[in-house]
Amino acid sequence: NAGVTQTPKFQVLKTGQSMTLQCAQDMNHEYMSWYRQDPGMGLRLIHYSVGAGITDQGEVPNGYNVSRSTTEDFPLRLLSAAPSQTSVYFCASSNSRTSGGYYEQYFGPGTRLTVT
Amino acid sequence: GEDVEQSLFLSVREGDSSVINCTYTDSSSTYLYWYKQEPGAGLQLLTYIFSNMDMKQDQRLTVLLNKKDKHLSLRIADTQTGDSAIYFCAESMDTGRRALTFGSGTRLQVQP
Repeated sequence: NAGVTQTPKFQVLKTGQSMTLQCAQDMNHEYMSWYRQDPGMGLRLIHYSVGAGITDQGEVPNGYNVSRSTTEDFPLRLLSAAPSQTSVYFCASSNSRTSGGYYEQYFGPGTRLTVT
Repeated sequence: GEDVEQSLFLSVREGDSSVINCTYTDSSSTYLYWYKQEPGAGLQLLTYIFSNMDMKQDQRLTVLLNKKDKHLSLRIADTQTGDSAIYFCAESMDTGRRALTFGSGTRLQVQP
C-alpha cells in the first residue's frame, strides 16, 4: 500500500491563481480530511468527508472547495489564491475504529504552498 | 471551546529523559494523542490514551493524563538523536467527524 499520497510536494502561486491539491489513499478509508499547518500553530481542519459524495466544512474552510467523487480521492481546490493561504497542507484518512476504540488517522507527506 | 496548548521548545541531552507537556480545555475529550513530525514529513501517530485512563506505557514512551487539571504529558526515556522532531498533542471529541484538535507542537532537540 502507498498509504496517503499528495501532489505536488511544492507549489508557488501568484495571488489570484487557482489550483488543485491532490490527495489519494489506497486503504479504502471512508473518512478523509484536509488540514493546514502554519508556523507556530497546530494543524487546523479545512474540510472533511465521511464518504464519497459527502463533504463538510472544518474550522477554516474559507477560500477552499472540496469534492469527493470516489473513495480514493479528495482534492482541495483554491479558487483564487491569497498570500494568507501560504501554508503546508496535509491530507489524512481514517477508517473504522481500531481495536483500541479510536480512529487512527494516516497523514500524507504534505504540500508546501507559497502564494506571492 | 477547544484549545490545546504546548510549550514550543525542549532541549535534552542524549540518554536523558524528555517530558513534553500539553494542556487542553475541553473536558469532553474522548481520546488524546501524541503525534511525531520529522522534518519535511507528515505526522505519525506515536501513541494515544483514552480519557478514562491515567497512564499508558509503550516501550520508551509513557503517557500521563491528569483529567482534573486537563494535563497530558509524554515522557520519552533514554532519548536518542533520532527522537529529534516536533511533537504534537491532539484531542478528539466528535467521533462522527473524527476531527483532531492539535496543539502548536513542541520541538524536541536532542544534543549528542
